Amino acid sequence: QKEVEQNSGPLSVPEGAIASLNCTYSDRVSQSFFWYRQYSGKSPELIMSIYSNGDKEDGRFTAQLNKASQYVSLLIRDSQPSDSATYLCAVIHMEYGNKLVFGAGTILRVKS
Amino acid sequence: DGGITQSPKYLFRKEGQNVTLSCEQNLNHDAMYWYRQDPGQGLRLIYYSQIVNDFQKGDIAEGYSVSREKKESFPLTVTSAQKNPTAFYLCASSIARDSSNQPQHFGDGTRLSIL
Repeated sequence: QKEVEQNSGPLSVPEGAIASLNCTYSDRVSQSFFWYRQYSGKSPELIMSIYSNGDKEDGRFTAQLNKASQYVSLLIRDSQPSDSATYLCAVIHMEYGNKLVFGAGTILRVKS
Repeated sequence: DGGITQSPKYLFRKEGQNVTLSCEQNLNHDAMYWYRQDPGQGLRLIYYSQIVNDFQKGDIAEGYSVSREKKESFPLTVTSAQKNPTAFYLCASSIARDSSNQPQHFGDGTRLSIL
């Protein structure tokens, strides 16, 4: 099992819809989770961090964490074409010396 | 402005040549990292450093070398031993030596290709 798994997509949603991006991880004791957005040809940009079970909202973004299920998700409300990018889930794996482990990313396409 | 500066943006390597990628940060971060990203793949850790004059190998260190003589600088050398160096190289930093809950922030990257 990969340490961090994401569906590669592409996930296509119409403008204004909710985009739901999902991520599972293997380290049962991980405490820190991050979502990065990466535009084509650019470097990753941190958009959300979450450390506790439940939801964390920041503008149009909501991160959801369920440690019992080892699952973290990112919801993007009112999706815009400018949200089209690859979204990387990253988890600090305590089993691997607190290294930040990245998923391969989910491609999101928002159609206008 | 505070940030992480990588240079050059594009780099071409001839066969048998060593090349060095620069990474400088003025965020006063203790920890710095080098990643490699291949098309359609996630980031893979090459080397990291949590303190000046100390660094550790990541998952794919073979064919690479680093130094950390100053807190703000963490250059990466791609040696001739790295037979497939074509990739997007990303430098990152985080605030704490113990990065158990700190996010990493990235520079703009260097795209390396073989001539």
